[in-house]
Amino acid sequence: EDQVTQSPEALRLQEGESSSLNCSYTVSGLRGLFWYRQDPGKGPEFLFTLYSAGEEKEKERLKATLTKKESFLHITAPKPEDSATYLCAVQAGTGNQFYFGTGTSLTVIP
Amino acid sequence: GEEVAQTPKHLVRGEGQKAKLYCAPIKGHSYVFWYQQVLKNEFKFLISFQNENVFDETGMPKERFSAKCLPNSPCSLEIQATKLEDSAVYFCASSPGASTEAFFGQGTRLTVV
Repeated sequence: EDQVTQSPEALRLQEGESSSLNCSYTVSGLRGLFWYRQDPGKGPEFLFTLYSAGEEKEKERLKATLTKKESFLHITAPKPEDSATYLCAVQAGTGNQFYFGTGTSLTVIP
Repeated sequence: GEEVAQTPKHLVRGEGQKAKLYCAPIKGHSYVFWYQQVLKNEFKFLISFQNENVFDETGMPKERFSAKCLPNSPCSLEIQATKLEDSAVYFCASSPGASTEAFFGQGTRLTVV
């Protein structure tokens, strides 16, 4: 069964304290791994797409990396406005649905 | 449009009533998805479309749920005879290709009382 697991469930950081969020997946035929950010009461906001092991994408303080079994979202020198839930999703096999993890709730304290 | 538009934002229905949700995908996007978020951060896939054709409906509770994407009309998700457990936020998303990122709307919060 296809599975996506994110850790930790919740993370509290001081402003400027860098860290990483993990997304591990067990799927057959990965077609893409996607990172989203979700603020309370809003829909998921697209951040990155990764297609193959070794690929990296970067945007401002965020950097996403991909291996054959997991992806990391690295947050460098976070700011309070980075506080949100970060979701990982994969597409795999012949279907096109996105399998979501349960997210990491990030709080950045000023 | 440049964003996925979902209406209404909030919907309250008495148990047993019908609920209909609408979604206008981003112009030019071929794929539309519907997801149900019940518990915080738990996304349940319902159905996807490629243009007006159902692509994957493995997540749809077929007894009471139905969905359509007709040309030149918003896509819709309809729930007949709503139950308390249908209370959730329903998200629509669209994507330009089969293995590309999907862009989500702001969701419709359905409350069944």
